[in-house]
Amino acid sequence: AQSVAQPEDQVNVAEGNPLTVKCTYSVSGNPYLFWYVQYPNRGLQFLLKYITGDNLVKGSYGFEAEFNKSQTSFHLKKPSALVSDSALYFCAVRDSSGYSTLTFGKGTMLLVSP
Amino acid sequence: DTGVSQNPRHKITKRGQNVTFRCDPISEHNRLYWYRQTLGQGPEFLTYFQNEAQLEKSRLLSDRFSAERPKGSFSTLEIQRTEQGDSAMYLCASSRDTGTMEAFFGQGTRLTVV
Repeated sequence: AQSVAQPEDQVNVAEGNPLTVKCTYSVSGNPYLFWYVQYPNRGLQFLLKYITGDNLVKGSYGFEAEFNKSQTSFHLKKPSALVSDSALYFCAVRDSSGYSTLTFGKGTMLLVSP
Repeated sequence: DTGVSQNPRHKITKRGQNVTFRCDPISEHNRLYWYRQTLGQGPEFLTYFQNEAQLEKSRLLSDRFSAERPKGSFSTLEIQRTEQGDSAMYLCASSRDTGTMEAFFGQGTRLTVV
């Protein structure tokens, strides 16, 4: 069975500093990996995905994520955090068969202080 | 707005009553997913459709839950004889017919069983 672990319930960072939100996964075969963000009273919004190719993928709002196959990780990063980045972030995985569903982590709350 | 639409946004019901939620996916998307999200948790997979065919159901989906997508367009999720433990946010998502494509989520239906 596939699974996602987000080891931090909350990440605190000062505005302007770099941020990292951690994600590790377990899946049979090659993974398809996704990051979503959820603002209060809003649905999940897609940020970025890794399917194949370059291990560093870039997404919306200046976010990027680095795929590391040996460490089975897909950490979300941003060079300079904004207060408006404060939200709940979810990592998700699907196996490359194309028929499996998305499995989500429990989420990490990112709080960016002014 | 051509995003995923869910109705109603909020539903309060008495224990033992039946409820039905509706999801209208993005029109060209063949796949439709239902997830449930409780406070402090990531979305948990319930079921998914490819066109009108229900291809997978989670063990979370008890016999009281049923989902349909009769013409491969909108979908309904019905919960019979609701219990307090059914209180959650029910999320619908849709995607194109390939595992590499990200799913787009609606804003969800928040169910409160009293």
